[in-house]
This record gives sequence, C-alpha cells and structure tokens, in this order.
Amino acid sequence: EVQLLESGGGLVQPGGSLRLSCAASGFTFSSYAMSWVRQAPGKGLEWVSAISGSGGSTYYADSVKGRFTISRDNSKNTLYLQMNSLRAEDTAVYYCAKDYGDYEFGWYFDLWGRGTLVTVSS
Amino acid sequence: EIVLTQSPATLSLSPGERATLSCRASQSVSSYLAWYQQKPGQAPRLLIYDASNRATGIPARFSGSGSGTDFTLTISSLEPEDFAVYYCQQRSNWPLFGPGTKVDIK
Repeated sequence: EVQLLESGGGLVQPGGSLRLSCAASGFTFSSYAMSWVRQAPGKGLEWVSAISGSGGSTYYADSVKGRFTISRDNSKNTLYLQMNSLRAEDTAVYYCAKDYGDYEFGWYFDLWGRGTLVTVSS
Repeated sequence: EIVLTQSPATLSLSPGERATLSCRASQSVSSYLAWYQQKPGQAPRLLIYDASNRATGIPARFSGSGSGTDFTLTISSLEPEDFAVYYCQQRSNWPLFGPGTKVDIK
C-alpha cells in the first residue's frame, strides 16, 4: 500500500527541539522529492521544507530557515525534520508530502501522511 | 512575493448544485496552480495540477481552468462527500497555498 506515516510529534517547551520522522512505503522513495507542510490549529496550509530524491538539494521557508533541517535516509525509506529553537508559532500538525512527479522538484503534492501534532508551550 | 486570494471564503450549496471556486494570484503564475481538498481531521488531497489536469483517481465532476492570475475550480454537481475546504497552491516560486474556501451544506 502506498502510504506515508509521520511520527515524533508532541509537547515541547519554547526553545526546545524535536525530530519528526516520516516512513514511506509502496513507492520508490528515492525517486521523489519530499516536503514537510504544516497546518496551525484552525488555519491554512504552510509549506515548510523540501528535499530532492537524492538528498542533495534542500529548501526552506523563511519562517524556519536556520532552525529546521530536512534530511532523508533512502536506505530506510524515511524522511526527517529536525526542529530546533522551537517557538509557539511553530505549533501545528506537520504533514510529510510526496512530490507528484519524478522531477527534481515538481512542487505539487500527490501523497500525504496523516500528520503529527507539534505543540510548543510552557 | 506572490499572494493568493480565494473567494468566496464560504460557499453554501445543496447536493447536486454546481460549485464555482475562485483563486487569484497577485502576479502571474502561468499555469502552475493546483487545487486540494481537505476534510476535517484528514490530510489534503490533490485534485488538479497545472491548472486543469485532474490528478489520478479524481472524478470527472472536478475541473480546473485559468492561467496567469485567475483560476477556477468547478464541481459540476456536488456529492455529499464534496463538502470540505478547498485550497489552491502555486508553484511559480516556492509552494504557497491560498487561505481556502469552505464548501458547506446549505
């Protein structure tokens, strides 16, 4: 079955760190760019970061640049998001999302996980 | 920086009616626009990409049109499962989503 499954969310204090994981199955993981997209409670969607299939290219939204790091392990079919210096405004459901085509970056997302909730609060 | 505006914010319709949703970009995004559907507690689902191409498995009642700055998602006849929030997304530079249109039952 083609699916993405996120894990690693939880409650963290401001200034703290958290690492999210996304396990992929049912498709050739290394052939596709992957992204993290977040959604604050009751709000819209915000793209956070993307990584190419090889892992050689990465991009970040200005709101997380310098604090978050995206990476992937193609041998384990797993995507990661290391989040440091967390702020209250980072509170959101974090989705991993697969790029729709086998380009370096297609920038549309045709497969999403169920999401993992990150809450930043003291 | 490109800004996406969606209208209306809420669309109240009955099953079987036609839904017309608008997405406007502050500058041209060519045809680099997608539409997603999101139901409560679920992840978004890709409906349309490159303005008018239906994604795999999407019913024919969903169609997209437009280019440049003005785009439309049309649902020809609303089914009960179509009541949801719809987001447009441009990829002309970084991925950017619009604020969404909620289609609810009248």
